[in-house]
Amino acid sequence: IAGITQAPTSQILAAGRRMTLRCTQDMRHNAMYWYRQDLGLGLRLIHYSNTAGTTGKGEVPDGYSVSRANTDDFPLTLASAVPSQTSVYFCASSDSTTSGGATGELFFGEGSRLTVL
Amino acid sequence: GQNIDQPTEMTATEGAIVQINCTYQTSGFNGLFWYQQHAGEAPTFLSYNVLDGLEEKGRFSSFLSRSKGYSYLLLKELQMKDSASYLCAVMDSNYQLIWGAGTKLIIKP
Repeated sequence: IAGITQAPTSQILAAGRRMTLRCTQDMRHNAMYWYRQDLGLGLRLIHYSNTAGTTGKGEVPDGYSVSRANTDDFPLTLASAVPSQTSVYFCASSDSTTSGGATGELFFGEGSRLTVL
Repeated sequence: GQNIDQPTEMTATEGAIVQINCTYQTSGFNGLFWYQQHAGEAPTFLSYNVLDGLEEKGRFSSFLSRSKGYSYLLLKELQMKDSASYLCAVMDSNYQLIWGAGTKLIIKP
């Protein structure tokens, strides 16, 4: 079944540890995104990538890094986790318009629930 | 700054109609989107408006007024499965989505 796969689905992590959340899509979408979702707040963009080989910072990039070595994979790394990074993380992808911009119809993974103690 | 406002929570009765409002102030406008998110699940795309007016899709309709910075999502013939959060998002001049905090819709029998 085509879509986006995230791993792990849930993780408890000690503060200071390094963690990578994996995201893979098989829809050949150019644009990919990482969001975090916290209670009472809207989805907040962490990092994005408009195409393989390029990445950009979103609204809340501090403490996170990403890479986009190919079209399908977009991992998110927390170099040294802190309790404020406890959240639900969603990876998403979108197709490109004829003019090259990303469309707003995003396809989301099932989310990764991360708890940092 | 950019912001999207929508009510935090609404309650409606099964079989009825409910309207969820969204107002926005963004740097540029390249479309308004509504997503549905059931508890514990990922958001899923519902609708897209870029021109003023009403877009109808089955029991769901979405309206846009760009001059007023306003949209609403109309849900008809409510079913229990419509209990979810509804997220309003606007694509700004940089083609980035700005998200509202979501409206939790509770459907009562």
